[in-house]
Amino acid sequence: NAGVTQTPKFQVLKTGQSMTLQCAQDMNHNSMYWYRQDPGMGLRLIYYSASEGTTDKGEVPNGYNVSRLNKREFSLRLESAAPSQTSVYFCASSESGSGELFFGEGSRLTVL
Amino acid sequence: AQSVTQPDIHITVSEGASLELRCNYSYGATPYLFWYVQSPGQGLQLLLKYFSGDTLVQGIKGFEAEFKRSQSSFNLRKPSVHWSDAAEYFCAVGAKSGGFKTIFGAGTRLFVKA
Repeated sequence: NAGVTQTPKFQVLKTGQSMTLQCAQDMNHNSMYWYRQDPGMGLRLIYYSASEGTTDKGEVPNGYNVSRLNKREFSLRLESAAPSQTSVYFCASSESGSGELFFGEGSRLTVL
Repeated sequence: AQSVTQPDIHITVSEGASLELRCNYSYGATPYLFWYVQSPGQGLQLLLKYFSGDTLVQGIKGFEAEFKRSQSSFNLRKPSVHWSDAAEYFCAVGAKSGGFKTIFGAGTRLFVKA
């Protein structure tokens, strides 16, 4: 049982380049989330999708876009990467109302 | 909007000693509260959660937490720490607004000494 799968696991970009982080879950969850983790700041919510077809901004949405492609997949796009977006990105999913988040293993992004 | 404060950036305890990790939250309505644990290089795993009812909740790995509304706190405890408990611990508060939006504290790193 794969759970939540993120790709790629590692990526190095130059300032101004674009990229998309992919996330897929096989637990039939309605809700999906993107967080970033930075030292001393915990996890900060970038965007979330309560259900297929909906997306909402979290705490730090600037510089990011998301797409809920279908119930399984939720992608995060950086249109023009900046060094401040160097971070570890986590995708998570949950069943509506349960509150429990199931996390992927993370994607480490470095922007030079 | 909800927020979470974990006052201790890191804590060191001896193996076998008791542990308490502090968490204070801010939220206007009844909060949904969580503790997660993260081992190095891994994602987060749920330890326990509080939605309603008994204010003392039991979780996995021998952890428990107590919800105190008057103090806006949800502290995590364990009576006897094992070396394998060394990890980073995150308190989180959830709110239902359309979907379920969960906000995390900055985390507390636990070191266990022999």
